[in-house]
Amino acid sequence: EVQLLESGGGLVQPGGSLRLSCAASGFTFTNYAMSWVRQAPGKGLEWVSSISGSGDITYFPDSVKGRFTISRDNSKNTVNLQMNSLRAEDTAVYYCAQGGGSGFDYWGQGTLVTVSS
Amino acid sequence: EKVMTQSPATLSVSPGERATLSCRASQSVGSHLAWYQQQPGQAPRLLIYGASTRATGVPARFSGSGSGTEFTLTISNLQSGDFAVYYCQQYTEWPLAFGGGTKVEIK
Repeated sequence: EVQLLESGGGLVQPGGSLRLSCAASGFTFTNYAMSWVRQAPGKGLEWVSSISGSGDITYFPDSVKGRFTISRDNSKNTVNLQMNSLRAEDTAVYYCAQGGGSGFDYWGQGTLVTVSS
Repeated sequence: EKVMTQSPATLSVSPGERATLSCRASQSVGSHLAWYQQQPGQAPRLLIYGASTRATGVPARFSGSGSGTEFTLTISNLQSGDFAVYYCQQYTEWPLAFGGGTKVEIK
């Protein structure tokens, strides 16, 4: 059974940083790209970042490019999202998802990030 | 950058009836289109990929069609668990993009 478990969310001040982690199990981790997708309160889904199975290729939308970085540790089956220079508009539930360039097959339950003073 | 537009924003349907949801892409995405279902307070769930292929475990009541810029998700014989928000998403190029969603509510 595929399981994705996010951690690291919380309250952070504008301009601050936060690091999210996602622990994956139930599949061959290196065979899959991994992604983060967020959902602001009461809003729709927004893709945030993806990383290839080997970890050598990353993708970001303009809204987070230069502020967020994504990485993975294939020895530990984890994927991380480092978020810097956080803004109020980054407030959202952040979901870890399996896949990237072919749809998102499985999703974690999400972790809430609140950016507020 | 491809923009995905879903309509209607809200669809009121009676249990047992059929719901037809639309998704339009600003430029062709071929068949690189997925549909997701999201229940309140839950993570999204993949329903359809490749515009028309059901994901594992998805009932045959859910069907997807279309290619290029026009796509449809049809839900037949609506059950109580089908009342949710549905999103389409293109994955033909970066940046990946979701539509704004269609809420299917009980009439």
